[in-house]
Amino acid sequence: EAQVTQNPRYLITVTGKKLTVTCSQNMNHEYMSWYRQDPGLGLRQIYYSMNVEVTDKGDVPEGYKVSRKEKRNFPLILESPSPNQTSLYFCASSLGQGASYEQYFGPGTRLTVT
Amino acid sequence: KNQVEQSPQSLIILEGKNCTLQCNYTVSPFSNLRWYKQDTGRGPVSLTIMTFSENTKSNGRYTATLDADTKQSSLHITASQLSDSASYICVVRVGSYIPTFGRGTSLIVHP
Repeated sequence: EAQVTQNPRYLITVTGKKLTVTCSQNMNHEYMSWYRQDPGLGLRQIYYSMNVEVTDKGDVPEGYKVSRKEKRNFPLILESPSPNQTSLYFCASSLGQGASYEQYFGPGTRLTVT
Repeated sequence: KNQVEQSPQSLIILEGKNCTLQCNYTVSPFSNLRWYKQDTGRGPVSLTIMTFSENTKSNGRYTATLDADTKQSSLHITASQLSDSASYICVVRVGSYIPTFGRGTSLIVHP
């Protein structure tokens, strides 16, 4: 089944403890991105990647890192999480980077930083 | 000011009734506009995509319209079902890699 998977789905952590949220897609998509979704704000893009070893900042990149060493994986790294990073995170992928390509979203990761 | 405004913020209707959700945008130059459905606790799923030259597009009971001159789009849901309860998100692309998302309309369908 074609899908985007994220792990973990739920995570509670403490301020300053490094964490990684994994994202994997099995559709051979070139383009991948990370979003956070907060009540009343909608989805905001954190980082995106157009291909292996090619990443760039989205609207809200501060406090996050990403890497794209393999085409299928695009992990999101929080080196020193803070409470304002408590949010619902979505990974997405698409066949290409153009506006006409549909993005397929993962199931989401709900992160709580205390 | 958000460049993609959706209204209403929330909507409650009875099963079987029709409803229309609105999306107004100011971003330019316009590339395309998508409507997504997001069930609670799930990722968004694309319903329709509309380009500059398209006025209407249907996907089952969902019909999207676009007026590129007034920069308005609507999503009409016919004969609503309980499974239509979800958040509906309008997303506008301007040809860049960063799409602009609306904040969504939360729809609740009551039996």
